[in-house]
Amino acid sequence: AQKVTQAQTEISVVEKEDVTLDCVYETRDTTYYLFWYKQPPSGELVFLIRRNSFDEQNEISGRYSWNFQKSTSSFNFTITASQVVDSAVYFCALSEAVTGTASKLTFGTGTRLQVTL
Amino acid sequence: DAGITQSPRYKITETGRQVTLMCHQTWSHSYMFWYRQDLGHGLRLIYYSAAADITDKGEVPDGYVVSRSKTENFPLTLESATRSQTSVYFCASHPGLAGYNEQFFGPGTRLTVL
Repeated sequence: AQKVTQAQTEISVVEKEDVTLDCVYETRDTTYYLFWYKQPPSGELVFLIRRNSFDEQNEISGRYSWNFQKSTSSFNFTITASQVVDSAVYFCALSEAVTGTASKLTFGTGTRLQVTL
Repeated sequence: DAGITQSPRYKITETGRQVTLMCHQTWSHSYMFWYRQDLGHGLRLIYYSAAADITDKGEVPDGYVVSRSKTENFPLTLESATRSQTSVYFCASHPGLAGYNEQFFGPGTRLTVL
């Protein structure tokens, strides 16, 4: 069975600090996909990134960066110079990649990030 | 407007009543999903559908019924609501290739069962 663990329930930082959100996953599949979603206080789920299991390159998008390490089954998310608008709940999710099936997502329990002035 | 919509956005009902949550998408995506979000659990899959008239159970299907007569609609019915079904419900869709595309989520329905 697939499992995603986000051990950090809540993180509080002061604006401009860097913060890393941890995500550890378990799967028996050799091919799979990892995702990060953001849920701001308004409640909607916003897609941030998708990474497939064959691509271990780190990715940077503005102040956001992601570190994927298959050796430790981790897909961590770093926000550089955090801003108040980054305050949200962040979810890591895992999807199997079996052709012809619905790509069901297994979510972690989420990390609530609070950025204060 | 194009996208995925859910209705109602908020619903209060009583134990034992039947409730139907609606989900509509305009992209003609093949796959649709229902999740529930509860504190401490993240989002958990209730049911999903690969196409019209094809549905299957997810992680927490008990107490729920789904149907998909048209590609664009995927209603979720609580046949006899219980307090444990108080939750935020999200509908999602994605276009096709398994795992390749991210799922697109609706705005959610907050359901309270008294």
